Amino acid sequence: KNQVEQSPQSLIILEGKNCTLQCNYTVSPFSNLRWYKQDTGRGPVSLTIMTFSENTKSNGRYTATLDADTKQSSLHITASQLSDSASYICVVSVNYGGATNKLIFGTGTLLAVQP
Amino acid sequence: DARVTQTPRHKVTEMGQEVTMRCQPILGHNTVFWYRQTMMQGLELLAYFRNRAPLDDSGMPKDRFSAEMPDATLATLKIQPSEPRDSAVYFCASGLVAATPDTQYFGPGTRLTVL
Repeated sequence: KNQVEQSPQSLIILEGKNCTLQCNYTVSPFSNLRWYKQDTGRGPVSLTIMTFSENTKSNGRYTATLDADTKQSSLHITASQLSDSASYICVVSVNYGGATNKLIFGTGTLLAVQP
Repeated sequence: DARVTQTPRHKVTEMGQEVTMRCQPILGHNTVFWYRQTMMQGLELLAYFRNRAPLDDSGMPKDRFSAEMPDATLATLKIQPSEPRDSAVYFCASGLVAATPDTQYFGPGTRLTVL
């Protein structure tokens, strides 16, 4: 069964600190892995997208890693800011052979950055 | 700044009533997705369209839900009759199937409460 699991479920850190969010998946056939940021009351916004051959990708203070062998990904946030408070969702894309991929969503990690 | 728009943003209705949610995808995008998000289940794909044709609606309860794209600028999701368990945030997302990878852009969502 295609599944995406994230940990921790929630996390509280102090402003300026770093943190790492984890994502494990059992999805096949794998196409790509995405990290989304969802602010409260808004739709998810894409942070990074990584294909099978990519190990790491950065977007400002966000750095995502992918280990396709162990089927794990992480999202590292450097020098956190109050605006980083949001839910971070790991999404794995499955390609069943058609032109459009199907997305399998994790349940998210809720991050709270405190001053 | 092209965005996906959704209306209404909030809807409160009574059980048994019909609910219609609307989505305007980004101009030029040829795929449209409907998602439902709840605290318990996270994001779930309900249906998606490519070039206005429904490709997959396996995630949608067929007896009460229906999704259509009457034209390229409008997608609708209808619930009839609505039930309290339908209370959730419904997101529409659009994308371009020719793009690699196929990033989906989410709208702000419609928060539905069925009493």
